[in-house]
Amino acid sequence: TQLLEQSPQFLSIQEGENLTVYCNSSSVFSSLQWYRQEPGEGPVLLVTVVTGGEVKKLKRLTFQFGDARKDSSLHITAAQTGDTGLYLCAGANNNDMRFGAGTRLTVKP
Amino acid sequence: NAGVMQNPRHLVRRRGQEARLRCSPMKGHSHVYWYRQLPEEGLKFMVYLQKENIIDESGMPKERFSAEFPKEGPSILRIQQVVRGDSAAYFCASSLRDRGPAKNIQYFGAGTRLSVL
Repeated sequence: TQLLEQSPQFLSIQEGENLTVYCNSSSVFSSLQWYRQEPGEGPVLLVTVVTGGEVKKLKRLTFQFGDARKDSSLHITAAQTGDTGLYLCAGANNNDMRFGAGTRLTVKP
Repeated sequence: NAGVMQNPRHLVRRRGQEARLRCSPMKGHSHVYWYRQLPEEGLKFMVYLQKENIIDESGMPKERFSAEFPKEGPSILRIQQVVRGDSAAYFCASSLRDRGPAKNIQYFGAGTRLSVL
């Protein structure tokens, strides 16, 4: 079983739509990272959240860390085709970081 | 500020040969992590190293796989006597030696895609 469960596993939407993907765990993390990975490339860090209840905005992306620091969500407003990719969350304690299996997002023109 | 550098980007080996994957961490980073990714799947942790020490190798197969991070030079992931099932993308990440939350942030290289014929 995965330490971090990401949902949905696959998501296909039209350009301009909004979406939310989730990252859930029964474990508490000192920080949580979101990465985006495009085909043939390594994961690229999008954001780190540290404080329970924290909300961070990165242009059209909004990241929230749950109050109990066990879960997180990523909301994308007005998705664009360039948002297509694999979105990975990773929970960290000390130098131990574990990844979810990812949400594979396809944004169609 | 150079990022995490992995080479080669693509590696083709025949069954039974050895594969050596190299990773140079970001400047100032002393922690290195290796992950494996199969097509359409997430990242699977293999091993975590600091300079000259293996800290956690719980995700690495006991047979044929080894990793090192010498005092000088890149980290090496070595796979001996490769089999077809070893075909995958192997990613290296590095992080800072720091006390705050920043130490948890891992930055990734572009990966080495290993194909075993």
